[in-house]
Amino acid sequence: GESVGLHLPTLSVQEGDNSIINCAYSNSASDYFIWYKQESGKGPQFIIDIRSNMDKRQGQRVTVLLNKTVKHLSLQIAATQPGDSAVYFCAEWTDSWGKFQFGAGTQVVVTP
Amino acid sequence: DADVTQTPRNRITKTGKRIMLECSQTKGHDRMYWYRQDPGLGLRLIYYSFDVKDINKGEISDGYSVSRQAQAKFSLSLESAIPNQTALYFCATSGQNARYGYTFGSGTRLTIV
Repeated sequence: GESVGLHLPTLSVQEGDNSIINCAYSNSASDYFIWYKQESGKGPQFIIDIRSNMDKRQGQRVTVLLNKTVKHLSLQIAATQPGDSAVYFCAEWTDSWGKFQFGAGTQVVVTP
Repeated sequence: DADVTQTPRNRITKTGKRIMLECSQTKGHDRMYWYRQDPGLGLRLIYYSFDVKDINKGEISDGYSVSRQAQAKFSLSLESAIPNQTALYFCATSGQNARYGYTFGSGTRLTIV
């Protein structure tokens, strides 16, 4: 997952610009990935998922890219809006674990 | 009503006190989980339950216990709270095919003073 530490990485984005959030996952055997959005005072919410046999998946204003060679996942948000301000984190699933492993997250701050 | 409800939402308690966090879900799922979230760290699994009679320790279970009272209810207890258990706690639920994601509650912010 993302680097572990006391402070979340922060991405400051101007409203209307595109955002790119990155995640380095840990297990090359992981075969399913989810991006979650966590707004202040709320629980994580599913945004988009991708299977390991895909390298790109698009949703509404969001795109997830998967690079298995370097164990890297990214989330692109198009035309970032104030409501996109939140912590975003990735989750990886490996069948041998039978549970998700979560990254620490990136704080996205949208400025006017 | 929310799919996963956690109570209380916020709690401040003293060191040494016993505290219980409660979770109930209306998803009809068998699997339930308790996670802890600390600043700068990913969600860490405390306990999980695949059904009422199946309860398992997660990666950080020391100092915690759980009870699965029914399919819909899963509570987390801190037997003797200590300050480093101050954190945001999340309950989650999933179906049998858990790989398709978890549904999380809104969290309990717990402060031990």
